[in-house]
This record gives sequence, C-alpha cells and structure tokens, in this order.
Amino acid sequence: DAGVIQSPRHEVTEMGQEVTLRCKPISGHNSLFWYRQTMMRGLELLIYFNNNVPIDDSGMPEDRFSAKMPNASFSTLKIQPSEPRDSAVYFCASSYRGFVLSGNTEAFFGQGTRLTVV
Amino acid sequence: QKEVEQNSGPLSVPEGAIASLNCTYSDRVSQSFFWYRQYSGKSPELIMSIYSNGDKEDGRFTAQLNKASQYVSLLIRDSQPSDSATYLCAVRRTGNQFYFGTGTSLTVIP
Repeated sequence: DAGVIQSPRHEVTEMGQEVTLRCKPISGHNSLFWYRQTMMRGLELLIYFNNNVPIDDSGMPEDRFSAKMPNASFSTLKIQPSEPRDSAVYFCASSYRGFVLSGNTEAFFGQGTRLTVV
Repeated sequence: QKEVEQNSGPLSVPEGAIASLNCTYSDRVSQSFFWYRQYSGKSPELIMSIYSNGDKEDGRFTAQLNKASQYVSLLIRDSQPSDSATYLCAVRRTGNQFYFGTGTSLTVIP
C-alpha cells in the first residue's frame, strides 16, 4: 500500500489567493482527518470525516477554510482567501474505525503539505 | 483546557540512559492512547499504542497508562542518538477523533 498521499508537498502563494490541498487516504480506511501543525500550537485537528461525511469541523479556524470528501479515496482542504497566518504544515491522516475497539487502527499520516503564504 | 498536555521540553539524555516522557489528557472516557515519533521535517509515525491500565513493553519502549490519573507515559531504555526526535502523545476519543499534544523534543547526546 502506498500510504496516505498528499499533494502538493510544498505550496507558496500570495496573500488573497485560493489554495487547495489534496489527500488520498489508505484504501479501506473509513476515517479521514485534516491537521495543521505549527511550532506554537502543535498538531491541531481541523476536521474529521467518517464514511465521507464530515463529523466534527469544530477545529476549522474560520469560514475561509473548507473541506470536502466527495468519495472514499479523495479529500480536499481549501483556503480562500489565504493569509500569511495560514502558513503551516498541513497533514492528512486516515484510519479504520470498526464496530469494536480492537478493530480500530491508529492514524496513518501523509507526508504533509508545507504552505507558505507571502 | 487542552485535550492532551505534554511537557514541551527540550529533554536531553546521554546515550544509554532512560528517557521518560509524560502526558496527561482531559477526557475521562477516552479509551485509546498512542505515542508517535516525528523526525524534523517528517510526518508523525506510530511507535506505541496502549488501551489498558498498566505497562506495555515493545523492545526498548515501555508505555504506561493510568486512567484514574488520566496519565500516559513513555520510557525509552538504552536511548540512542537515532531516538532524537519529537514525541507526540495522542488520545482517541469515542468518536474516533485523534487529539495530539504539542510534543516533547528529545535529544540523545552521544
């Protein structure tokens, strides 16, 4: 298995531009997470999908951020308009959630997208 | 109150010593606990998971869980320079969300 795949690996954009980050979870996983990592705040959970449905988006910082999961193998995180304070590393992770605790897996991370907004 | 709290360090230990990393969590109903390691510029990777009170050993790593105190720890025996990284404590809540601490930076000095 190729693992969680994110693109692009690096993104540099100007303030005000739209940014779209992409993620392909591990095949068979039914949970997908978007995280943002900064030195000051660590790894913050932005949004969580289960079976392609957004379950918890309480971590999304503001309306400029949106996420979609149109099918089990693809998700996007969009920032519009982008601001310098959005500069961070964005990770996508996936896991399998079963009906019993012992069937659940840990979260597997993609390589991340380093976003710089200038 | 943060879901997961860790001492950010940095923590420095000499090669061959025991490194001790600690973590507390706020949600009493959490059932699953994890330690991830993150090298600089890389993504987090799982090194240990623990679900029951007590100790769980895997090679040089021992995870300890005390649900009454809402406390998780990681011991690294015979620390090696290759263990130098940031260690992230994570908790999975009943809704399957994974929450992470800010991490503890560990340096093993040769």
